Amino acid sequence: GNSVTQMEGPVTLSEEAFLTINCTYTATGYPSLFWYVQYPGEGLQLLLKATKADDKGSNKGFEATYRKETTSFHLEKGSVQVSDSAVYFCALREAASGGGADGLTFGKGTHLIIQP
Amino acid sequence: NAGVMQNPRHLVRRRGQEARLRCSPMKGHSHVYWYRQLPEEGLKFMVYLQKENIIDESGMPKERFSAEFPKEGPSILRIQQVVRGDSAAYFCASSPPVGRTYGYTFGSGTRLTVV
Repeated sequence: GNSVTQMEGPVTLSEEAFLTINCTYTATGYPSLFWYVQYPGEGLQLLLKATKADDKGSNKGFEATYRKETTSFHLEKGSVQVSDSAVYFCALREAASGGGADGLTFGKGTHLIIQP
Repeated sequence: NAGVMQNPRHLVRRRGQEARLRCSPMKGHSHVYWYRQLPEEGLKFMVYLQKENIIDESGMPKERFSAEFPKEGPSILRIQQVVRGDSAAYFCASSPPVGRTYGYTFGSGTRLTVV
């Protein structure tokens, strides 16, 4: 079955530091890949996505490149801010019809803490 | 175009009572998913529904939990005879009928506290 593995947190960085959150996946087919962000007390928001190999998703200064050869989708940001403190979830979706638990598979989430 | 609407935002129930959580999907979305998030844990899939059909309930506890998505009205997640361990954030998400390129749109969640 499909699975997503993220680096465990919490990840603590100083403001303006470079961020990488690793994400690797296992899929039987050809998935689309997503990063979601959850701010404290809120639901998940789609941060960025990539739908085919070598695509780069980007939003709000965050980037991730779909690497089929290494089955990875690492999240990066050049200079983090305190407001980036949140939990980040990597996810994949493979089923053409959105079927059930395999429709969107999440990693366990990485808690990011940015200190001023 | 309103997003996924969940209500109530916060719900407090005494042990043994029933909890009803509502979710209205985005306009045009016919697929609804419920997830549970326990403190300091990730998202756990519970159930996937389409209108009047439960497609996959493999993540639902066998007892006390049920879900529906009627032809008219919101999707309902029902928890009967709640216990303290049911305290969690429950998130609903919706998606269009087809397309692996679509992610889900999530609601803001219902935070259930059982006292």
